[in-house]
Amino acid sequence: DSGVTQTPKHLITATGQRVTLRCSPRSGDLSVYWYQQSLDQGLQFLIQYYNGEERAKGNILERFSAQQFPDLHSELNLSSLELGDSALYFCASSVRGSGTEAFFGQGTRLTVV
Amino acid sequence: GDSVTQMEGPVTLSEEAFLTINCTYTATGYPSLFWYVQYPGEGLQLLLKATKADDKGSNKGFEATYRKETTSFHLEKGSVQVSDSAVYFCALSDRGSGGYQKVTFGIGTKLQVIP
Repeated sequence: DSGVTQTPKHLITATGQRVTLRCSPRSGDLSVYWYQQSLDQGLQFLIQYYNGEERAKGNILERFSAQQFPDLHSELNLSSLELGDSALYFCASSVRGSGTEAFFGQGTRLTVV
Repeated sequence: GDSVTQMEGPVTLSEEAFLTINCTYTATGYPSLFWYVQYPGEGLQLLLKATKADDKGSNKGFEATYRKETTSFHLEKGSVQVSDSAVYFCALSDRGSGGYQKVTFGIGTKLQVIP
């Protein structure tokens, strides 16, 4: 158990809909990262938050947004969903400071039908 | 910016064969380096890490040495098993501007070990 909790584990929704994925980082971790993993696409970095502030953006679509709340949990909002958004979405967290690794949650499997 | 380059897979080996997965990096600071493993249907797990030059990380028979002069962190195992079949990700952790921690991953290398 990495200590990072993601909910829900599975999500099935229709095209055009909006969903929210939730991540609770490990206790004490200030950084939260979101990644998308599609078949044959590897791990695509979406966005990073540090202590409530956005710190880095990767290949995140404009239809997607995220935020980190004062209690450090984070939510990833996906709207106007398309079939191609079907993927595993991972959240990871890390502490501030050098030499620290990221700890991953088990992921949310999103299926858009 | 920081980047990690690792060999594209898939890599297919017979059981008990020697494994090398290459990884090189580019970083502005003095990063820590990691290998993560993702078994089928699971999330990523830390396999090993090294925090400074010449450090060797090791776990479950896997090893990787932090080579600053060649900016590399190649993963090796002397004798792979079927249970090692997974996707392996090389990653680095460095301080971004403002002092926050940033983690950068490679694309992942799929390893398939056949009996």
